[in-house]
Amino acid sequence: AQKITQTQPGMFVQEKEAVTLDCTYDTSDQSYGLFWYKQPSSGEMIFLIYQGSYDEQNATEGRYSLNFQKARKSANLVISASQLGDSAMYFCAMRSYNTNAGKSTFGDGTTLTVKP
Amino acid sequence: DGGITQSPKYLFRKEGQNVTLSCEQNLNHDAMYWYRQDPGQGLRLIYYSQIVNDFQKGDIAEGYSVSREKKESFPLTVTSAQKNPTAFYLCASSASLTSDTQYFGPGTRLTVL
Repeated sequence: AQKITQTQPGMFVQEKEAVTLDCTYDTSDQSYGLFWYKQPSSGEMIFLIYQGSYDEQNATEGRYSLNFQKARKSANLVISASQLGDSAMYFCAMRSYNTNAGKSTFGDGTTLTVKP
Repeated sequence: DGGITQSPKYLFRKEGQNVTLSCEQNLNHDAMYWYRQDPGQGLRLIYYSQIVNDFQKGDIAEGYSVSREKKESFPLTVTSAQKNPTAFYLCASSASLTSDTQYFGPGTRLTVL
């Protein structure tokens, strides 16, 4: 079974500083993808960044980077130069491409608050 | 504009009534998904479909039903058998089941009175 653990229910960061949101995962599959989504108070899910299990380089997308440590089964999201608009709920998720193809598992999320 | 539409945004129903949530996509995606989100929690998969006329149960399918008669449409029916249907429902699609990215609709907030 797949499992995603986000241990930080809430995080605060000062505007313009960097913040790391933690995510650990558990799976017996060899081929999988890891995702981060942002959910503002409006409820929409916004895709931020993707990391494949076979990717050797850490993924980056603008101010977002994914610190992928396969041996530790962690996929932390780093947001650099935080902005007030980054305040939202953030979800880590994984999809298996083997035995459970198509099924995504989500963590319980981290609420990020950016202080001015 | 390509995307996923869900209607309505807010839905109120009386206990014991079935209700159908709409999900339409014009992204030409083969795979579509329904998720449920309860307050302060992550998304849980209800049903998913990889192609027309085919769908699979997710982790919490009991009390729900779906159909996939057209590629662009994947309606979800919340039946009276669902014990606690009040939740936020999100529809998503992807090019295939193994695609990197899922695209989400804006969601429907269902309240059962």
